Amino acid sequence: QKEVEQDPGPLSVPEGAIVSLNCTYSNSAFQYFMWYRQYSRKGPELLMYTYSSGNKEDGRFTAQVDKSSKYISLFIRDSQPSDSATYLCAMSIPVRQLTFGSGTQLTVLP
Amino acid sequence: DTGVSQDPRHKITKRGQNVTFRCDPISEHNRLYWYRQTLGQGPEFLTYFQNEAQLEKSRLLSDRFSAERPKGSFSTLEIQRTEQGDSAMYLCASRLAGYDQETQYFGPGTRLLVL
Repeated sequence: QKEVEQDPGPLSVPEGAIVSLNCTYSNSAFQYFMWYRQYSRKGPELLMYTYSSGNKEDGRFTAQVDKSSKYISLFIRDSQPSDSATYLCAMSIPVRQLTFGSGTQLTVLP
Repeated sequence: DTGVSQDPRHKITKRGQNVTFRCDPISEHNRLYWYRQTLGQGPEFLTYFQNEAQLEKSRLLSDRFSAERPKGSFSTLEIQRTEQGDSAMYLCASRLAGYDQETQYFGPGTRLLVL
């Protein structure tokens, strides 16, 4: 079993929809949680970073962490065609490497 | 551009050949990471450096793979006797070591195709 499981998708939504992307993890030592966005044939780009349970908001993006359930989510409000990409959850133990989910491919239709 | 850079961006090689990739991290970032990403998967950790010291290697890093960071700045990843299974995107990331500095910044990657 992988340490990080991510809803595989692909996900296709109409423009303006609310998108929910989800990951679960098994290693309770993970303390830092990130969401990266990756466009086709590009490197991952950091979207959100958090280290505590609860919600963190940045514009149209909200990251949610529930450490008791080992569950993290990314919500995208008012989705735009430019949000079409693969979204990767990632997490780490302090000062160690990142462990990634397998990614969810999102398409926002105009 | 002050981000992480990688060279080359694409490499096509024949099975059995050696290849070398270069990564230039964000200046003053003392930690440098190499990951490998195959189609439809997230990046998988290969190895990382703090300054010039290689601190950890994944089981994915067979003895055909070697990485260096000789002066604590740029890094190279060499694959000897390439195999078709080595075809992947090789990603480099850097960060500044510190308790609250967990964020890693990625380069654009080197896409390797082994024929």
